[in-house]
Amino acid sequence: GAGVSQSPSNKVTEKGKDVELRCDPISGHTALYWYRQSLGQGLEFLIYFQGNSAPDKSGLPSDRFSAERTGGSVSTLTIQRTQQEDSAVYLCASSSSPRDTQYFGPGTRLTVL
Amino acid sequence: RKEVEQDPGPFNVPEGATVAFNCTYSNSASQSFFWYRQDCRKEPKLLMSVYSSGNEDGRFTAQLNRASQYISLLIRDSKLSDSATYLCVVDSSYKLIFGSGTRLLVRP
Repeated sequence: GAGVSQSPSNKVTEKGKDVELRCDPISGHTALYWYRQSLGQGLEFLIYFQGNSAPDKSGLPSDRFSAERTGGSVSTLTIQRTQQEDSAVYLCASSSSPRDTQYFGPGTRLTVL
Repeated sequence: RKEVEQDPGPFNVPEGATVAFNCTYSNSASQSFFWYRQDCRKEPKLLMSVYSSGNEDGRFTAQLNRASQYISLLIRDSKLSDSATYLCVVDSSYKLIFGSGTRLLVRP
């Protein structure tokens, strides 16, 4: 079946602009996660959704970052007033329930000029 | 101190070699352990889970030592296609904590 999809695959933006990144999880997966991978670094947890609620937002690096999930499916990660240090690959993962295997999407490569 | 620590490598080995990667983790409450593989500019993919008794999947063997908080991955008979970055991953409740990865280069 279809895996996790993300869009756009690449996004180049200017410093100060807002961006929206989208994640479509595997159908039926209730848990959804956002991670960030900066160049040469490991993956960094950002936020976790169970259904539409986000019980853990502890990884969001600043209040410029927000995320929502609607209908227990699609999620969007929004970064306001982007900064150059926001440049990274943003990865979304989903699992059938918390603590089950997480499957990753291909990521969105964000470049802030 | 990072929650999950790995030697970044790179490990440069000839085809057919046996190579071992190690990883240590700091959270003694972690329950689940994994090795993920990440190819250049691709998303991480689950290679194998790691069980307390140790487990094997073809040429890959994973070991866990809870007392030492240490995880290992052994690759036998390396193939060119094994070239990738291997990520040691530990759960912290529902979220995954990733090591920075160990890069493996298998040469002809």
